Amino acid sequence: GAVVSQHPSRVICKSGTSVKIECRSLDFQATTMFWYRQFPKQSLMLMATSNEGSKATYEQGVEKDKFLINHASLTLSTLTVTSAHPEDSSFYICSAPGTAKTYGYTFGSGTRLTVV
Amino acid sequence: AQTVTQSQPEMSVQEAETVTLSCTYDTSESDYYLFWYKQPPSRQMILVIRQEAYKQQNATENRFSVNFQKAAKSFSLKISDSQLGDAAMYFCAYIYAGNNRKLIWGLGTSLGVNP
Repeated sequence: GAVVSQHPSRVICKSGTSVKIECRSLDFQATTMFWYRQFPKQSLMLMATSNEGSKATYEQGVEKDKFLINHASLTLSTLTVTSAHPEDSSFYICSAPGTAKTYGYTFGSGTRLTVV
Repeated sequence: AQTVTQSQPEMSVQEAETVTLSCTYDTSESDYYLFWYKQPPSRQMILVIRQEAYKQQNATENRFSVNFQKAAKSFSLKISDSQLGDAAMYFCAYIYAGNNRKLIWGLGTSLGVNP
């Protein structure tokens, strides 16, 4: 089945530094990738949608300059948290949609970001 | 705008018993899909079951089944013969079967399974 590999699974960084999270589709081409943020015991909050070959679409209230999203190829999408601050600490998940027929979605395993 | 409501933040069930998680949604569309996702402590999202709105028959996957009431816009999940491994957050989600492929999520129900 379709697999999305997300790395790193955990990262701790110092305040003011940048962190890059990668999501790779291993056995299919992901023209679209959804990026979510999730706080403990809460639902998934969509941050942005990346599309291969075009600019990402950000949800209202999400800072484009802080959360840089790039969809460099049909198998790779990245989220870079720039100038990270403690309030950026969260769980980040990527997800690629399945085929039009199945409407299944494949999720990465998530990245726990801690900014100290 | 489409919305998904899960009115039970927490539930618990005795091992081997049956539990039903509630989900209601609001949409003006007629062609859509509904999902139940499980998120265990590992936080990996796992698809439990999917229902196409145009299908009248309720979806089933082994011990998991849904009660899809389209007119009432209700989509509950029944877990039979509950197992300890069923303990997780369960999210109900909706997607319009059009070009906008964003999932609309409920707030989730935390399910505990008592041995």
